[in-house]
Amino acid sequence: AQRVTQPEKLLSVFKGAPVELKCNYSYSGSPELFWYVQYSRQRLQLLLRHISRESIKGFTADLNKGETSFHLKKPFAQEEDSAMYYCALSGRGNTGKLIFGQGTTLQVKP
Amino acid sequence: EAGVVQSPRYKIIEKKQPVAFWCNPISGHNTLYWYRQNLGQGPELLIRYENEEAVDDSQLPKDRFSAERLKGVDSTLKIQPAELGDSAVYLCASSSRTGEYEQYFGPGTRLTVT
Repeated sequence: AQRVTQPEKLLSVFKGAPVELKCNYSYSGSPELFWYVQYSRQRLQLLLRHISRESIKGFTADLNKGETSFHLKKPFAQEEDSAMYYCALSGRGNTGKLIFGQGTTLQVKP
Repeated sequence: EAGVVQSPRYKIIEKKQPVAFWCNPISGHNTLYWYRQNLGQGPELLIRYENEEAVDDSQLPKDRFSAERLKGVDSTLKIQPAELGDSAVYLCASSSRTGEYEQYFGPGTRLTVT
């Protein structure tokens, strides 16, 4: 079965601390993995995708096929990073269907 | 650019009543998606359109839900009759084409069924 699991509902850190939002997936084949973010009172938007291998707003994520994980990391959290983060996957060839995890609320305290 | 537009933003209805949601995608986007997001969960795809054709409606509860996308632009999602369990946020998204990874989401419609 295709599934995305985000084990933490809430992650609370202090400003300047490292952040790691966990994401594990189950998929038979080679998926495409994404992180979407929703800031307060804003729309859900794409943060990054694994195929582009880029750093967005200081965040990076590496696809680990052996551990079927796609954790989102940032070395120094900022207060403006506080938001809801969703990990999502799509099948190879991208049929367009995104399967989302339950989401993790990141709270960065001053 | 306004992005994906949805209306209404909020809707409260009694169970067994009908309800409809409207979505206007980004201009030029051929692919349109409807998602449902239950409280504390991530969005779940209900239906995907390529232009006016529904190419994936496997997750749409067809006994009470229907959708249409006339002329391949705006789309309407309808529930009739609504049940208490339909309370959720209904999200519309669009992308320029299938295979375009980035989906652009609307603000959503929060439905409360009492």
